[in-house]
Amino acid sequence: EDQVTQSPEALRLQEGESSSLNCSYTVSGLRGLFWYRQDPGKGPEFLFTLYSAGEEKEKERLKATLTKKESFLHITAPKPEDSATYLCAVYAGNNRKLIWGLGTSLAVNP
Amino acid sequence: EAEVAQSPRYKITEKSQAVAFWCDPISGHATLYWYRQILGQGPELLVQFQDESVVDDSQLPKDRFSAERLKGVDSTLKIQPAELGDSAMYLCASSLAPQGDTEAFFGQGTRLTVV
Repeated sequence: EDQVTQSPEALRLQEGESSSLNCSYTVSGLRGLFWYRQDPGKGPEFLFTLYSAGEEKEKERLKATLTKKESFLHITAPKPEDSATYLCAVYAGNNRKLIWGLGTSLAVNP
Repeated sequence: EAEVAQSPRYKITEKSQAVAFWCDPISGHATLYWYRQILGQGPELLVQFQDESVVDDSQLPKDRFSAERLKGVDSTLKIQPAELGDSAMYLCASSLAPQGDTEAFFGQGTRLTVV
C-alpha cells in the first residue's frame, strides 16, 4: 500500500537552531516528491519538487534532499517566520495517485 | 505573480442547505484539483479535471457533491445538502501538466462551517 509518513509530528526550535524534518515513503513507482509549507488558515505554498535519489534543492534557509526511501527538509538557522506546517506529498506513478503526509508542525521561538 | 483564485474565503451554512465554491486556476493550467482538508491532516483529493473532463472523482461523495469545469477554465464545487461533517477547508489547486508528477499551486481555500 502506498504510504507517506512524516516525522516528527511537531517540532519546536529556538531561533538559529538548525534541524531536519523527515518524509519517508513506500510507493509504487515514485514519479515525484513535493514539499509544501502551510500557514494556519491558508492553502499550501509550493516549495520544492524532487524526482530522483541524490537530488537536492535549496531556497533561502531550506534545503530538500531525496533518497530511495525518504526525503529530508533541512532548516538552517531558522527564524520565527519559518513557523508553519510542512507537508510532503509523493506521486505514485504506478497507481497515478498523489499521497500526502500528515505534516510536521514547526514552531520557531525568538 | 499568477495565483489560484478562490471564493468565498469563509462560508457558514446551515445543515441541509446548498453551498457552492468557485475556483479560477492559473492561466494556462489544464489540470485543476479540488481538495478537502481537515485540521491536522493532509489534503484529500475530491476531484481532478483535465481541461473540462473529470480524470478522478473516486473520493467525491457523489450523492451530495458535484463539480464542474464547463469551459475548461474556472470550476465550481457544490454540496447539497450540507452536513455537519462537511465542515472543513476546501482547497483548489492547478498544475500545468496533465500528470500528477508536477507541482500544483493552491489557492487560499474556502473555510466551510456547517451549523
